Amino acid sequence: QQPVQSPQAVILREGEDAVINCSSSKALYSVHWYRQKHGEAPVFLMILLKGGEQKGHDKISASFNEKKQQSSLYLTASQLSYSGTYFCGTEKPQAGTALIFGKGTTLSVSS
Amino acid sequence: GAGVSQSPSNKVTEKGKDVELRCDPISGHTALYWYRQSLGQGLEFLIYFQGNSAPDKSGLPSDRFSAERTGGSVSTLTIQRTQQEDSAVYLCASSPGQGRYEQYFGPGTRLTVT
Repeated sequence: QQPVQSPQAVILREGEDAVINCSSSKALYSVHWYRQKHGEAPVFLMILLKGGEQKGHDKISASFNEKKQQSSLYLTASQLSYSGTYFCGTEKPQAGTALIFGKGTTLSVSS
Repeated sequence: GAGVSQSPSNKVTEKGKDVELRCDPISGHTALYWYRQSLGQGLEFLIYFQGNSAPDKSGLPSDRFSAERTGGSVSTLTIQRTQQEDSAVYLCASSPGQGRYEQYFGPGTRLTVT
């Protein structure tokens, strides 16, 4: 049930773009994206509630392909502040809004 | 406003002792979650409270783990007879409910079992 994230790690220079993928073998009802900086708590980025939905937050956006059971997070013109570990979370079946998280993708942005 | 708070921030305990971890969710949030994060690992779901409904305990790793939420607010996670594999950061999160599902995480409690 745990979603699979890829890649495991990304190394970028400032201004470069990245895509993080999250896929599931089970039907997805919603996808959450969180970012966790080292030693800090995860911070909510966005939630996609239905297939085909796309959202954006500054230069970070995401899409949700319900049929393919996957979501992608797009980071455009990356900044140093984007560094951290990105987690996707999918709803635990029959458990309301509790989430099953992927193992995370570590993004390192350097100048 | 105030975010989710957790106490203690760090806890070192000897194997076999019991520990209690506390979570104060954001005021008015109806949903409360406990997760565990081992070193370098992802977030593992433990238990979920929603309003007055029975909690979903399906993520608790053993019967040594229990949690309660009093008055629909503060929650306590109790680990009995701690083992070294219980060492991890325990994170609490809350969400508003009423159609809003984003989760706000507390700073976590780092538990070390020696």
